[in-house]
Amino acid sequence: QSALTQPASVSGSPGQSITISCTGTSSDVGYGYVSWYQQHPGKAPKLMIFDVSNRPSGVSNRFSGSKSGNTASLTISGLRAEDEADYYCSSYTSSSTLYVFGTGTEVTVL
Amino acid sequence: ELQLVESGGVVVQPGGSLRLSCAASGFTFGDYSMHWVRQRPGRGLEWVSLISWNGDSTYYADSVKGRFTISRDNSKNSLYLQMNSLTSEDTALYYCAKDRRAIGEGYMDVWGKGTTVTVSS
Repeated sequence: QSALTQPASVSGSPGQSITISCTGTSSDVGYGYVSWYQQHPGKAPKLMIFDVSNRPSGVSNRFSGSKSGNTASLTISGLRAEDEADYYCSSYTSSSTLYVFGTGTEVTVL
Repeated sequence: ELQLVESGGVVVQPGGSLRLSCAASGFTFGDYSMHWVRQRPGRGLEWVSLISWNGDSTYYADSVKGRFTISRDNSKNSLYLQMNSLTSEDTALYYCAKDRRAIGEGYMDVWGKGTTVTVSS
C-alpha cells in the first residue's frame, strides 16, 4: 500500500486561503474515511478533521475538509502564522494495511 | 487531562527485540481502540498497528506483520508493542495514539510525545 499523494509544499500570505489535496484510489480515499492531522516541528500530530469534513471539538472553523471521488482536500481559510506546520491526510484502506497516511505537506505562511 | 506517555525506546542491534509501553491517563482507557504510529527521521507518518478496546482484534501494517505484536492491559491502562527481528528500517519515533471509538475508525484524537527506537550495530 503506497502512501496517499500530497503536494510537498503549499504557501500563502496571512489572511489568504489555501487548499491541500490528498489523492488516493477507490480502495482508500474513495471509501470516505479520511482524516487530517497537523504537526508542528518536534511535536506530536493533532487531529484536525475526521470523517472527511468533521472537526473535533476545539479545532478552529477556519479548517474545513471535503472530498471528490478519490481526492480529499483540506482548506485553511484566514491563514495565520500559527498554521505553519506539516499536514498529513490519512485514510482507511481495503488493502492488508488497514490505514495509510499521505506523504505530508509543509505549509508556509509568507 | 487526557495523556499518553510512551516509554521503552532505546538503541538496539539489528535482529534484536524491544517492548514499547504506553501509559494512559485522564480517560477510560478500556473504552477505546489504540494505535501505534511511527515516524522515521525526517519522514512522514506511518501507521503501524491497531488494537480494539478489548484486545480481541489486532491489525498490522504489512511492513511489521509477523514481527510486531500489539497488546493491552486495561487493568493497568497500558498499551504495548513487542518488536522482534528489528532492522534499520524500524528506526523511528513511535507514537501511541487513542482512537475516537471502541472499534477503531482510524481517527486518532489523543497522541503521546513518542519514544525513539534506534536500530544500529
